[in-house]
Amino acid sequence: AQSVTQLDSHVSVSEGTPVLLRCNYSSSYSPSLFWYVQHPNKGLQLLLKYTSAATLVKGINGFEAEFKKSETSFHLTKPSAHMSDAAEYFCVVSYPNQAGTALIFGKGTTLSVSS
Amino acid sequence: DAGITQSPRYKITETGRQVTLMCHQTWSHSYMFWYRQDLGHGLRLIYYSAAADITDKGEVPDGYVVSRSKTENFPLTLESATRSQTSVYFCASSESMTGYQPQHFGDGTRLSIL
Repeated sequence: AQSVTQLDSHVSVSEGTPVLLRCNYSSSYSPSLFWYVQHPNKGLQLLLKYTSAATLVKGINGFEAEFKKSETSFHLTKPSAHMSDAAEYFCVVSYPNQAGTALIFGKGTTLSVSS
Repeated sequence: DAGITQSPRYKITETGRQVTLMCHQTWSHSYMFWYRQDLGHGLRLIYYSAAADITDKGEVPDGYVVSRSKTENFPLTLESATRSQTSVYFCASSESMTGYQPQHFGDGTRLSIL
C-alpha cells in the first residue's frame, strides 16, 4: 500500500532560524506530492506541489521543498521562520495512475515558533 | 466570494440522532470530498464524488451517507450518530481526481457526539 511518513510529529524553532519538516513516501509509481498547512480552526491551505516538473518546488510564504527520488523524500524548508508559521503541516501524496485514489495524508507535523 | 463553505462550524448532538453537515463550493469543481480529522490519524477520506449523482466510498465510509444532486453541494449525513464519529470534518473540492490538481478545503465542522 502507498503511504507517506512525516518523520517528526513536533518541530520547535526560534524566530529567524531555518525550518525543516521531513517527509518520506513509499513509491511504486510516480507520485504527485503536496504540502498543506493548517492554522488553528481553519481548513488546509496548499503551500506547494510537485508534479514531475522541477525537483525544487517553491511555494507560498517563502517555503520550498525538494523532491529526491533516490531517497523517496520531499522535505519542506524555509530559511527563516516567522511567528505566523506556527501551524500544523501535512505532507500529502497522490498517485495519479491509480483509479479511485484520492490523497494520502501524513499524520502531520506541528511547528512551534518561539520569539 | 468564491470558495468552499461548510456549515455548521460547530455542532453538538446526541448518540442515535441524525445530523447533516453541509458543504457548498462556488468554483464549479467536478470533484468533492469529505474527510474526517482525528488525532493520530491525519485526514481520512470518507466519501467522494466525481459529479452530480456520482459518489463513491473512501477509506472510512461506514455510518455515513452522502448525496450530490447539484454540482455545488455535497452534504454528509450521519444517520445514527455514534461517539466514535466525534471528529472534525472537512469538505474539499478539486478540478480533478488524478492528483495533479490540488484540493481546496473548507474551514471544517467540529462535531461532538455525546
